[in-house]
Amino acid sequence: AQSVTQLGSHVSVSEGALVLLRCNYSSSVPPYLFWYVQYPNQGLQLLLKYTSAATLVKGINGFEAEFKKSETSFHLTKPSAHMSDAAEYFCAVSDGSGNTGKLIFGQGTTLQVKP
Amino acid sequence: GAVVSQHPSWVICKSGTSVKIECRSLDFQATTMFWYRQFPKQSLMLMATSNEGSKATYEQGVEKDKFLINHASLTLSTLTVTSAHPEDSSFYICSAGPGLAGAKQYFGPGTRLTVT
Repeated sequence: AQSVTQLGSHVSVSEGALVLLRCNYSSSVPPYLFWYVQYPNQGLQLLLKYTSAATLVKGINGFEAEFKKSETSFHLTKPSAHMSDAAEYFCAVSDGSGNTGKLIFGQGTTLQVKP
Repeated sequence: GAVVSQHPSWVICKSGTSVKIECRSLDFQATTMFWYRQFPKQSLMLMATSNEGSKATYEQGVEKDKFLINHASLTLSTLTVTSAHPEDSSFYICSAGPGLAGAKQYFGPGTRLTVT
């Protein structure tokens, strides 16, 4: 069975600093991995996804993530944080057992950006 | 981009009553819709997967008789919380997609349910 662990429920960075949100996964099959962002009172938005093509995935708003099979990780990074990046971030793995597309989410990480 | 709406966005109901939440895909046809539940400061927990015209598939531990899901068309799925209790108070989120592993899902903004 697939699972996702996000290390750090709360991350605080200064504006302009590097953003690093950690995600480790467990999967018995080659995984599909996603990062979603949730702004207050809005639906989750897809930042990026890994589907076994390039291991370095570039997403929207300057975010990118690197799939590292040896470390079972899919950490999300952004070189320079902006105030508008403050939100809840979720890492997710697609359940590959039945090809239904259902997602298993990590616990979420709240990103705070300080001026 | 594809838009998913939910109605209502916020509802308060009395204990013992039922409440229906709608999930609509506004500009695309959704073969599969998913219903999640999110507690404050916690992750999304998948409740069920619904496919148009067939019975929903519920996750382990989710009471199918309490959380009734109907997916009557390719643009509408409904979640009815029957005989609601205060412990059912939560944020309910739907998403829509093609129902394939690795495919992008489009999420609704969520419905806040408070049972008094």
